Amino acid sequence: GAVVSQHPSWVICKSGTSVKIECRSLDFQATTMFWYRQFPKQSLMLMATSNEGSKATYEQGVEKDKFLINHASLTLSTLTVTSAHPEDSSFYICSANIPGQSYEQYFGPGTRLTVT
Amino acid sequence: KQEVTQIPAALSVPEGENLVLNCSFTDSAIYNLQWFRQDPGKGLTSLLLIQSSQREQTSGRLNASLDKSSGRSTLYIAASQPGDSATYLCAVPPGGTSYGKLTFGQGTILTVHP
Repeated sequence: GAVVSQHPSWVICKSGTSVKIECRSLDFQATTMFWYRQFPKQSLMLMATSNEGSKATYEQGVEKDKFLINHASLTLSTLTVTSAHPEDSSFYICSANIPGQSYEQYFGPGTRLTVT
Repeated sequence: KQEVTQIPAALSVPEGENLVLNCSFTDSAIYNLQWFRQDPGKGLTSLLLIQSSQREQTSGRLNASLDKSSGRSTLYIAASQPGDSATYLCAVPPGGTSYGKLTFGQGTILTVHP
């Protein structure tokens, strides 16, 4: 199967600062990646679709100016949480599929963000 | 808007039991359905992807079935083991597409005790 990595695995930041999370496809190229958020004891909710070489598309209710997504290469998408607040504390997970193959989604290990 | 429901929310069984996890979805025009496993504090591990043209998919002790017309899928786990303890999630793409924007159920928390 395909491997997706994320960095960092966990991060603690102070309120008002920005945090960048990386999502990498290690053994395949991904023109599209997806970012999800998971609050404690809840399921995953799609935040945005990251498109290589073009702007990300955001789900309803997700602030695009707060959650900046950059997909500058075929193996890397980044999510930057700007001016983070405690309510942004969550588990952020990315996914991708291998283009041209089945639409099976492969997920990264997730990044735990805690804003103090 | 696609909605996904999983029943039961939690399940506790003794080791060795066969068990069934249920998933239902509201928009039956799906192209595929995927089952995942999530361990506490971890990401998702893909277990099975079942295409709309398939009725079943098997991997080891796992068997997933799909009935599009009724909007249901089941995940059957045979001879459960303590290592199977995890949260099991089903997810579907938007109806009419195979695109990866998945809608997830709330999950079934499975505990298998020795």
